[in-house]
Amino acid sequence: QSVLTQPPSASGTPGQRVTISCSGSISNIGSETVNWYQQVPGTSPKLLIYSDYQRPSGVPDRFSASKSGTSASLAISGLQSEDEADYYCASWDDSLNGWVFGGGTKVTVL
Amino acid sequence: EVQLVESGGGLVEPGGSLRLSCVGSGFTFGTHTMNWVRQAPGKGLEWVSCIISTGARIYFADSVKGRFTISRDNAKNSLYLQMDSLRVEDTGFYYCSRGVGTSVVASHRFDAWGRGTLVTVSS
Repeated sequence: QSVLTQPPSASGTPGQRVTISCSGSISNIGSETVNWYQQVPGTSPKLLIYSDYQRPSGVPDRFSASKSGTSASLAISGLQSEDEADYYCASWDDSLNGWVFGGGTKVTVL
Repeated sequence: EVQLVESGGGLVEPGGSLRLSCVGSGFTFGTHTMNWVRQAPGKGLEWVSCIISTGARIYFADSVKGRFTISRDNAKNSLYLQMDSLRVEDTGFYYCSRGVGTSVVASHRFDAWGRGTLVTVSS
């Protein structure tokens, strides 16, 4: 059972918008920033979003994120086939004194 | 180009030990916090341990506390994970990742990852 809760799957057709939620608590998302990672099957994770909503250079602006209270969300607009991957949220947990990840959400492009 | 290359994985019996290594290149290794993150087969990511740039502060997940040790040699651009008293549930890919951010570890993000090394704990 992960400290951060994500839905196991999400899907959409090309061009659609998909949203992934990440629910935590006051000791992690509620007091620390959230990062999102994308992992294409068979590859290493890649940083997608940091500090709640910032995009590293090279990440398309189709990817956006937000945070409110103890929850965060990632949105993919204009879904493309190459977006098929697992997506993980992560945050520092002040009580555990370590990083916690969500269980991951598998995005399928129909 | 930033590169992280892990090594040292393999097959070990329960109760055994392994030492993982990660060599960084393409950046000033000694100025970054470094992390180990693992992934059991078909499962999600799990953070294992973190060591700040100087090695003065280290952190561990509860699941490995007391069994794993993290260290670094900045002169060799290397990160290590000594894993003792290994359990079947420690099986998985172990990734080395670079932390970037302010002096506050909690603000960091993992902006570079290695390809991982596979650890299999089985009798």
